[in-house]
Amino acid sequence: QVQLQESGPGLVKPSETLSLTCTVSGGSLTRNYWNWVRQTPEKGLEWVGYISYTGSTNYNPSLRSRVTISGDASRNQFSLKVTSVTAADTAVYYCARDLNDISTGTGFDIWGRGTMVTVSS
Amino acid sequence: SYELTQPPSVSVSPGQTASITCSGDRLGDKYACWYQQKPGQSPVLVIYQNTGRASGIPERFSGSNSGNTATLTISGTQATDEADYYCQAWDSGTVVFGGGTKLTVL
Repeated sequence: QVQLQESGPGLVKPSETLSLTCTVSGGSLTRNYWNWVRQTPEKGLEWVGYISYTGSTNYNPSLRSRVTISGDASRNQFSLKVTSVTAADTAVYYCARDLNDISTGTGFDIWGRGTMVTVSS
Repeated sequence: SYELTQPPSVSVSPGQTASITCSGDRLGDKYACWYQQKPGQSPVLVIYQNTGRASGIPERFSGSNSGNTATLTISGTQATDEADYYCQAWDSGTVVFGGGTKLTVL
């Protein structure tokens, strides 16, 4: 059974870089698509981007200039970096699996528990 | 940018049928998914590719998508179905979520 676990700092200062890691257990980064989704009370759920089993990436156009998603298949982990953060980046960040590319409509079938990240000085 | 619109809230009596709508331009030409989220928990995939029921989801949950509206239908609604429900679609290279609907089972 595939399980996902987010980890990383819960507090980040404005203008700095937010870094999170998602550890995949019971599955492999060499298959499927691995996504980051964030949630705030104001904006609801927002897709951040994914890294595929081939290592290709796809980002939300509204965040593309500040976001990088990378993967480490040897550790079965994938990571998110968001640069130049502001209070608007304060959110619960989830990692989630999609069996196929987002255009195929298969949806995010496995989610991590989420981790709260606050941007504040 | 593409937008999906959901009613903020829907109420239903136990045992009755609940319908939650999601509206977007030509949404019927796209795939819609639905998620259930209970307080303090992560979203759970309920419906994929408009009508597919995700693993472990009871048969009382069903989905449809036509024209500009996707609909999640819960037949014989139970108290345990009380949750927030979000629709999701893909457009122009990005994933879009609806704003969510709070389902109250009275």
